[in-house]
Amino acid sequence: AQTVTQSQPEMSVQEAETVTLSCTYDTSESNYYLFWYKQPPSRQMILVIRQEAYKQQNATENRFSVNFQKAAKSFSLKISDSQLGDTAMYFCAFIGTYKYIFGTGTRLKVLA
Amino acid sequence: AAGVIQSPRHLIKEKRETATLKCYPIPRHDTVYWYQQGPGQDPQFLISFYEKMQSDKGSIPDRFSAQQFSDYHSELNMSSLELGDSALYFCASSLGGTSGANVLTFGAGSRLTVL
Repeated sequence: AQTVTQSQPEMSVQEAETVTLSCTYDTSESNYYLFWYKQPPSRQMILVIRQEAYKQQNATENRFSVNFQKAAKSFSLKISDSQLGDTAMYFCAFIGTYKYIFGTGTRLKVLA
Repeated sequence: AAGVIQSPRHLIKEKRETATLKCYPIPRHDTVYWYQQGPGQDPQFLISFYEKMQSDKGSIPDRFSAQQFSDYHSELNMSSLELGDSALYFCASSLGGTSGANVLTFGAGSRLTVL
């Protein structure tokens, strides 16, 4: 079975600082994709970043970057220069053959 | 840019009633997904359609059914509603099937409250 685990239910970070959200997953598939989605208080699901498993290079998107460790099945999200607008629920997601599987989420609060 | 449109945004029903949620994907997107997110829960995959055919099925109750129409919009029909069906229902769309290479774009969600 495929699983996604986010072990940090809640985190906080001071504005302008860096924070890392962790995610681990389990799969027997060799080709898959990993995502981080942001869900602000509006409850909208917004794609933050995507990583293809066959690519060794870590994906980056402006202030967001990932540390993808395929052997360890780890996919952490680093947010640099945190902004108040980054306050949201962050979901790690995995897609293998057909369907997305989401982790339970990490609630991030950016403090002024 | 056009986004995924879901209607209604809010819906209140009584137990044992029926509800229908609609999803209009991004133009030219041919794949639609439905997710259910209970209070404080992560989104749970219900069902997906590609080119008007069901492509995958998740934890969708037998009381629920869905279809994708010729214009690619999709409807989720929920019957014999239970209190536990109260949730935010997301629709997402993508182009070209359910491969992970195709990024999902989510709608704003439809909040169903069952009293």
